[in-house]
Amino acid sequence: EPEVTQTPSHQVTQMGQEVILRCVPISNHLYFYWYRQILGQKVEFLVSFYNNEISEKSEIFDDQFSVERPDGSNFTLKIRSTKLEDSAMYFCASSGQGAYYGYTFGSGTRLTVV
Amino acid sequence: QKEVEQNSGPLSVPEGAIASLNCTYSDRGSQSFFWYRQYSGKSPELIMSIYSNGDKEDGRFTAQLNKASQYVSLLIRDSQPSDSATYLCAVSGGNTDKLIFGTGTRLQVFP
Repeated sequence: EPEVTQTPSHQVTQMGQEVILRCVPISNHLYFYWYRQILGQKVEFLVSFYNNEISEKSEIFDDQFSVERPDGSNFTLKIRSTKLEDSAMYFCASSGQGAYYGYTFGSGTRLTVV
Repeated sequence: QKEVEQNSGPLSVPEGAIASLNCTYSDRGSQSFFWYRQYSGKSPELIMSIYSNGDKEDGRFTAQLNKASQYVSLLIRDSQPSDSATYLCAVSGGNTDKLIFGTGTRLQVFP
């Protein structure tokens, strides 16, 4: 079964450093998403991306965050200057037809900011 | 603020019993409804989707939707210890492409 692949599985970074989380969506999917889940809390929407541009973003997705699809397979989330409160699981997801039919999530990257 | 509400549990059921999980949502414009299963430390896994009022069955799982009451439920028949996980209700629709998740209900199935 097709999978969404995320790397790394765990990243530890110092506060103020930049991190890039990487995702390879399912190959024929057109809609891409990033979500995060702080330990013990809800899965929260960050951003959706379609046709090489952001289609929607949450209030969490401020100027410290950016997304990019640098080539035909990768989808990245960059956090420019990490804060302690950015520590969370970050999930990439993709869909062939948008949210209506649900998405497939990747296995996640656990980001720990120290 | 669009909300999805779930009882956090834990819901404890014996092996072989029916587990009943419930969810309410606030946005009447919601069009698609999902149940995801999440094991501890893992990512959400889609187990059921439902779009119209009534019941939808898939193996041991039945999703129920009542749009008038803004209520979604998931029944798990013949519960197994391997069903022990957190079940997330998620809702999408209207003019948005995002899923809004509830906090999840932790299910424990004991032998």
